[in-house]
Amino acid sequence: DIQMTQSPSSLSASVGDRVTITCRASQSISIYLNWYQQTPGKAPKVLIYAASSLQSGVPSRFSGSGSATDFTLTISSLQPEDFATYFCQQSYSTPFSFGQGTKLEIK
Amino acid sequence: QVQLVQSGAEVQKPGASVKVSCKASGYTFTHYGINWVRQAPGQGLEWMGWINPYNGKTNYAQKLQGRVTMTADTSATTAYMDLRSLRFDDTALYYCAKDGQQLDPNWFDSWGQGTLITVSS
Repeated sequence: DIQMTQSPSSLSASVGDRVTITCRASQSISIYLNWYQQTPGKAPKVLIYAASSLQSGVPSRFSGSGSATDFTLTISSLQPEDFATYFCQQSYSTPFSFGQGTKLEIK
Repeated sequence: QVQLVQSGAEVQKPGASVKVSCKASGYTFTHYGINWVRQAPGQGLEWMGWINPYNGKTNYAQKLQGRVTMTADTSATTAYMDLRSLRFDDTALYYCAKDGQQLDPNWFDSWGQGTLITVSS
């Protein structure tokens, strides 16, 4: 099974900051990497699929990059509504697996 | 718009079974797979498996093989997840989630609201 490791596990930042979250796969997954945002009490919401494709309706301040084993999610200018938990997920092979999550908090 | 509406919360005893439903609307049900993902309290996300509603093909996580069954009723545009021999560590919020593209399981572009299953004696 493929293991996904995110870093950092938590992050404090301010509105307007640029933030980067990384995700590493235990083996190459090509570009089969997706990013989700989850706010308390809500279901996750996809932000980025296939490593760098922006899901329809998601603000352009979110971007993704990477391939093989190393991936990043970048938020170019944090907005108040971006404080949430972010998960990466590999869809290269089943069983699909998620990173443990990165909790983004207000500084 | 796409909507996935799940059945309500349940409390079950260890060893019992539970069946969660996921009613889909706003798209052609047979064109996209449905995944089931669970989240234990305060924990991360765990993929449980996938069903293709068109032909009933399933793909289950190995750790749940033998305890989980996923089905789909195309006339009712509803997917179901049946989990048997419940254990305390099955306590979690269970989500259904629609595939973002057709054919094989991939990313999840719409999610249900979640169904809390509590296993308690």
